[in-house]
Amino acid sequence: DAKTTQPNSMESNEEEPVHLPCNHSTISGTDYIHWYRQLPSQGPEYVIHGLTSNVNNRMASLAIAEDRKSSTLILHRATLRDAAVYYCILRNRKSNTGNQFYFGTGTSLTVIP
Amino acid sequence: ETGVTQSPTHLIKTRGQQVTLRCSSQSGHNTVSWYQQALGQGPQFIFQYYREEENGRGNFPPRFSGLQFPNYSSELNVNALELDDSALYLCASSLPDRSSGANVLTFGAGSRLTVL
Repeated sequence: DAKTTQPNSMESNEEEPVHLPCNHSTISGTDYIHWYRQLPSQGPEYVIHGLTSNVNNRMASLAIAEDRKSSTLILHRATLRDAAVYYCILRNRKSNTGNQFYFGTGTSLTVIP
Repeated sequence: ETGVTQSPTHLIKTRGQQVTLRCSSQSGHNTVSWYQQALGQGPQFIFQYYREEENGRGNFPPRFSGLQFPNYSSELNVNALELDDSALYLCASSLPDRSSGANVLTFGAGSRLTVL
């Protein structure tokens, strides 16, 4: 699977929107873009995933660039509970390695009250 | 529905010992994978089990082994423990996402292993 690049850390004020960027310049046409987050002392938690179109769910929105070489996870109103490490991961839909996700080091999000 | 549960939550071993970590999958999930997370790093894939057989492995030596049982629960065994094996061990279960075909993982909270 292709690799991703994320900033090491970001800060946001509580109740403001947060835009977490991810670069994936070597993405292939069959790579899904996944986002997971890991709260302190917990296992990673699924946030959202998409292929080409923007996606929304109850947790967040995923905006995918037209050339698919970058994407942005959008938290519409950050809360203190959103403080976590956010991982952007590519997964090839044709992969035969099932659950082998490459996590990288992610972006550590700090939410300021 | 219950999520993924792991046991024990914390344990301490000494070099050369063996350890067994346990994982109960989320109800209905038939695929289990194990990850190792060193301090300050992202999780690293160890291996995956489907229908009681290993069907994918990351860059880990053979002293890392596993089992999956008919009820889809799983064990991770590590022999001849080394200091570098100190880490958080995460279990994740999954079914393929029916709407898009992309696997979504459900993780447990992990087992924190310290090797002295």
